Amino acid sequence: DAGITQSPRHKVTETGTPVTLRCHQTENHRYMYWYRQDPGHGLRLIHYSYGVKDTDKGEVSDGYSVSRSKTEDFLLTLESATSSQTSVYFCAIRISLDKNYGYTFGSGTRLTVV
Amino acid sequence: GQQLNQSPQSMFIQEGEDVSMNCTSSSIFNTWLWYKQEPGEGPVLLIALYKAGELTSNGRLTAQFGITRKDSFLNISASIPSDVGIYFCAGREETSGSRLTFGEGTQLTVNP
Repeated sequence: DAGITQSPRHKVTETGTPVTLRCHQTENHRYMYWYRQDPGHGLRLIHYSYGVKDTDKGEVSDGYSVSRSKTEDFLLTLESATSSQTSVYFCAIRISLDKNYGYTFGSGTRLTVV
Repeated sequence: GQQLNQSPQSMFIQEGEDVSMNCTSSSIFNTWLWYKQEPGEGPVLLIALYKAGELTSNGRLTAQFGITRKDSFLNISASIPSDVGIYFCAGREETSGSRLTFGEGTQLTVNP
């Protein structure tokens, strides 16, 4: 268990409201990622972080912002939620494996925007 | 952005049968990963591949990193009901830093 937790696990929110999802890790990994998962699209990268205060955009970053003020927490914010942001959101961390590295995922946050 | 083509999209098989699925890309990858996802959970890493031609096993699962570095294959032998889930391939391009690109997944159903 790589010690990665996401909160909340489920959330229903109204269109136009701000929403923040949290990813917390306990093992001091440098790289953290936010993905969204939608039917027919697999997992798509929203934003990622390569260190405290170091973040960059992924392929579907419009409408999302992130913050990483400390190593263990990576926050994803929807400034003004829209129905198209209804999705399952996964956080991931990069971990070291024998020969190289892999990626471990949290259990996800199911977000519904009504 | 880079897309991975994963096939088949779904499979319905009988317990005991072998399963094969694959992913292809238009670019060269230097890492291939295979994940399994069960309902309500995040993807779980099954096998990681880092070298062209590499063949790696994890129990009844075997995956290969294609020689061209543009494809990867996952085989499951003697399937059992608990193999049910969505299987994803993921790859990392040399120019993409630490970012992964995912295939759309293969939904596997195993009938007892």
